[in-house]
Amino acid sequence: AQTVTQSQPEMSVQEAETVTLSCTYDTSESDYYLFWYKQPPSRQMILVIRQEAYKQQNATENRFSVNFQKAAKSFSLKISDSQLGDAAMYFCAYRSYGGSNYKLTFGKGTLLTVNP
Amino acid sequence: KAGVTQTPRYLIKTRGQQVTLSCSPISGHRSVSWYQQTPGQGLQFLFEYFSETQRNKGNFPGRFSGRQFSNSRSEMNVSTLELGDSALYLCASSRDGSLGYGYTFGSGTRLTVV
Repeated sequence: AQTVTQSQPEMSVQEAETVTLSCTYDTSESDYYLFWYKQPPSRQMILVIRQEAYKQQNATENRFSVNFQKAAKSFSLKISDSQLGDAAMYFCAYRSYGGSNYKLTFGKGTLLTVNP
Repeated sequence: KAGVTQTPRYLIKTRGQQVTLSCSPISGHRSVSWYQQTPGQGLQFLFEYFSETQRNKGNFPGRFSGRQFSNSRSEMNVSTLELGDSALYLCASSRDGSLGYGYTFGSGTRLTVV
């Protein structure tokens, strides 16, 4: 079974600065998807960024980028120019590629605080 | 376009009762998944439906069940409620879960069992 570990329960960053959230995972599969989701107090999980394991290039979405290290099974999220609206719980998630297993396996989350 | 709609937003039930939660996916999405979120266990997968068929099921007791209708709307049912069932229940939809697209989540139903 796959596991996802987020070792930082809480992080804080000053507005306009950069912060990196860590995520490691354990799997024996060679192809899979990785996601970062954001959950603000409104409770809705919002997809931040998605990475396919077979792609070497790190995914980027505006101020959000990932550092995907497949051999190390590491998938960190970098938030540049942090904004107050980035404050939320961030979850790293894993999903198998193909087959019949369509579930997302989540880490425990990192609570990000943005200080003005 | 309309997002994933979950109803009700909040629910308070008594131990031993049963409850039904509803999820309406984004139009055109045929895959619906359910997750339970608690402070202790985090986010745990309950089950996933595609075209009215359950494709995957998580490690939850048989008291937890679900179904999907022909219009892709889904319901989950919990019978004989226990205090430990208190949680945020999240529904997520996807066009076709097999393609690995990120799922779109609803705002959840907060269930409190007293």
